[in-house]
Amino acid sequence: EMVLTQSPGTLSLSPGERATLSCRASQSVSNTYLAWYQQKPGQAPRLLIYGASSRATGIPDRFSGSGSGTDFTLTISRLEPEDFAMYYCQQYGNSRTFGQGTKVEVK
Amino acid sequence: EVQLLESGGGLVQPGGSLRLSCAASGFTFTNYAMIWVRQAPGKGLEWISAITGSGGDTWHADSVKGRFTISRDNSKSTLSLQMNSLRAEDTAIYYCVKGSEVSRPYYFDFWGQGTLVTVSS
Repeated sequence: EMVLTQSPGTLSLSPGERATLSCRASQSVSNTYLAWYQQKPGQAPRLLIYGASSRATGIPDRFSGSGSGTDFTLTISRLEPEDFAMYYCQQYGNSRTFGQGTKVEVK
Repeated sequence: EVQLLESGGGLVQPGGSLRLSCAASGFTFTNYAMIWVRQAPGKGLEWISAITGSGGDTWHADSVKGRFTISRDNSKSTLSLQMNSLRAEDTAIYYCVKGSEVSRPYYFDFWGQGTLVTVSS
């Protein structure tokens, strides 16, 4: 089964800084079937990105996704206070595997 | 507006059973796959069961195969998860999730707020 490895485990940044989150797959993700989700404490996850680079409805354009094959990136161009949260990647091609998550915390 | 409202969680003893339900509204229920995802306390996300829009095909993760059964009633826009032979490691928040398409491949575009299942004696 495909394994998704997210790095770093924790990212400590200040508001206004750029965040770069990585998601690496153990095998190639077909057709860029890769999604990103945001989860804040005590809340359900929310879809951010699908198809590796398409923003979900209502997601601000400071969030962007890129990558193909086995390497994918979620970038938050300028961190807003509400962006400090947990982020998960997921492949939805041949399975529905989630990565273990990256926590973006206030430095 | 898409709404997914889970119910049925609670405290159950090891070996016991529980049935979760999810009432869906705001979209044409039969046109979308539905999924259950769980999250153990302090842990990450784990998809456990999925069903196509018609209900004709279902999938379960190995961790719950043979113990959990997903089903849907399209006439009532309701998703269910029958959980038998519960174990302590099944303790988690269970989320009802809408798929983006009627069948695979689909991403998870709307999530309910979740219902807590605690398995303990």
